[in-house]
Amino acid sequence: QKEVEQDPGPLSVPEGAIVSLNCTYSNSAFQYFMWYRQYSRKGPELLMYTYSSGNKEDGRFTAQVDKSSKYISLFIRDSQPSDSATYLCAILDDTGFQKLVFGTGTRLLVSP
Amino acid sequence: GAVVSQHPSRVICKSGTSVKIECRSLDFQATTMFWYRQFPKQSLMLMATSNEGSKATYEQGVEKDKFLINHASLTLSTLTVTSAHPEDSSFYICSARVQFLETQYFGPGTRLLVL
Repeated sequence: QKEVEQDPGPLSVPEGAIVSLNCTYSNSAFQYFMWYRQYSRKGPELLMYTYSSGNKEDGRFTAQVDKSSKYISLFIRDSQPSDSATYLCAILDDTGFQKLVFGTGTRLLVSP
Repeated sequence: GAVVSQHPSRVICKSGTSVKIECRSLDFQATTMFWYRQFPKQSLMLMATSNEGSKATYEQGVEKDKFLINHASLTLSTLTVTSAHPEDSSFYICSARVQFLETQYFGPGTRLLVL
């Protein structure tokens, strides 16, 4: 079993839709959770960063962590064509050098 | 947010040559930098962790003699692909961890094509 599982998509939605992106993870000791957005041929950009369980909101983006079910989500409200990208969930393995463990990424396509 | 740069952004070289890629944290100090490679439509694969002033720690299956990493200062790490071959063609991305924090910021990536 992979440490972090993420549906690769693609996920296609019309402009204005609410998008839900999800990941599951296996190690209950993980505490730090991140979402990155990656446009084609670019480096990942940090979108959201949460610690432990709960919600965090930033503009149209909401990150949610449910540690009891080992499930993390990113919601995008009023999606725009410019949101079309690959979204990577990442979990910090805070033992040793604090490596990020990435999901495979979900490709999102928002059509006008 | 913190800015990480990479140079060059794209490089084409002949098989057998060596290529050096630089990763710089522009507005913060990074005690730890990470090097990844990414193949088309795949996620990032961690190659090595680089700590300032010490030897890099390589992930299983990554040849340390082929991918030389140097982290000479708190703002600069370099990856040298030695004797590059066509199978080394990939997108190489570095990230830098903000000192005393958990977040990592990524560079824009370097696209390497070995002919």
